[in-house]
Amino acid sequence: NAGVTQTPKFQVLKTGQSMTLQCAQDMNHNSMYWYRQDPGMGLRLIYYSASEGTTDKGEVPNGYNVSRLNKREFSLRLESAAPSQTSVYFCASSSGTGGYEQYFGPGTRLTVT
Amino acid sequence: QKEVEQNSGPLSVPEGAIASLNCTYSDRGSQSFFWYRQYSGKSPELIMFIYSNGDKEDGRFTAQLNKASQYVSLLIRDSQPSDSATYLCAVNGDRGSTLGRLYFGRGTQLTVWP
Repeated sequence: NAGVTQTPKFQVLKTGQSMTLQCAQDMNHNSMYWYRQDPGMGLRLIYYSASEGTTDKGEVPNGYNVSRLNKREFSLRLESAAPSQTSVYFCASSSGTGGYEQYFGPGTRLTVT
Repeated sequence: QKEVEQNSGPLSVPEGAIASLNCTYSDRGSQSFFWYRQYSGKSPELIMFIYSNGDKEDGRFTAQLNKASQYVSLLIRDSQPSDSATYLCAVNGDRGSTLGRLYFGRGTQLTVWP
């Protein structure tokens, strides 16, 4: 089991460019999440998908869109990147029932210049 | 606004000592509590979860929960230099669509010196 995988690991964008961060899980989890982590700010939820076919905004959704492609995959899209979106992005998944513990992918380090 | 507060640290303890990490939360309805460890440059790793008042032990780690005081802690016994990391406290949402959401504290940086 690979758990939660994310691509790419690193990315540099110019302001205004777009890109999609990919996330996949092989744990048959129902729920998936996208976070960003900035120094001193902790983990902040961008969007989440409680189950296949649903998505909801988290704490900091502006400038992002998401797609729950199927039960395994949850992508995050930056339509027009801004320097303020420079961050480390983590995808996580959970079964969505019971204890709600989340398991994280290795992260994508994004720099927007 | 759901708040999860942790001592920002840094916390520094000698090898072999007990490290004590604390966390308070604002939402009385939260039912699930988690501790994650995050090494520098890596992703958060789940190390403990606790649902009931009292203590839960797993090896050198003990999680303690007091719902009346809205307080959860993590004790690391016989601390090792390899325990040096940032520890994140997380609690779940208290109702409906927020049940599956986790709310994270900003983390406590722990250094264990030999």
